[in-house]
Amino acid sequence: AQSVAQPEDQVNVAEGNPLTVKCTYSVSGNPYLFWYVQYPNRGLQFLLKYITGDNLVKGSYGFEAEFNKSQTSFHLKKPSALVSDSALYFCAVGRMRQGGKLIFGQGTELSVKP
Amino acid sequence: EPEVTQTPSHQVTQMGQEVILRCVPISNHLYFYWYRQILGQKVEFLVSFYNNEISEKSEIFDDQFSVERPDGSNFTLKIRSTKLEDSAMYFCASRERVTDTQYFGPGTRLTVL
Repeated sequence: AQSVAQPEDQVNVAEGNPLTVKCTYSVSGNPYLFWYVQYPNRGLQFLLKYITGDNLVKGSYGFEAEFNKSQTSFHLKKPSALVSDSALYFCAVGRMRQGGKLIFGQGTELSVKP
Repeated sequence: EPEVTQTPSHQVTQMGQEVILRCVPISNHLYFYWYRQILGQKVEFLVSFYNNEISEKSEIFDDQFSVERPDGSNFTLKIRSTKLEDSAMYFCASRERVTDTQYFGPGTRLTVL
């Protein structure tokens, strides 16, 4: 069975500092990995994805994520956090051949303070 | 930029009533999904839909739920007899055939009293 874990409910970062939001996954076969962001009272916005290729993927708003197969991780990173990055971040795993449903982690609340 | 839209944004209903949640996916997308998010919990998959039939459904998606694509643009989720525990945010999503990215609508907040 597929599963995703986000071990931190909340991450606090000072503006300008680097941020990392952690995600580990469990899936048989090759995973499709995604990060989505949810702002208050809004839907889920796609940030980036890993399907194949380079382990470091770049996405929207300066975010990037590193796929690590041996550690089954897909951590979200940004070199310099902005206050406007404060939101709820979800990691998700999918397998497109099986209809493409996404399995989400429980979410991590990112708080960036000035 | 094309986007998924959902109506209504908020629906309040009495327990036992039927509700229909509506979604307009992105126009050239072929795969459609419903997810829900109970307050404070993670986003959960309900159902996927392709070529006018259900591709996959979760355990949550029991006989009280149904989906339909009644015309070329709308994708609906019907709950026949709502329960208190159906209160949640319901998200519609769609994706193209060639890419793997699902794009989500803004959600419908369903409150069952």
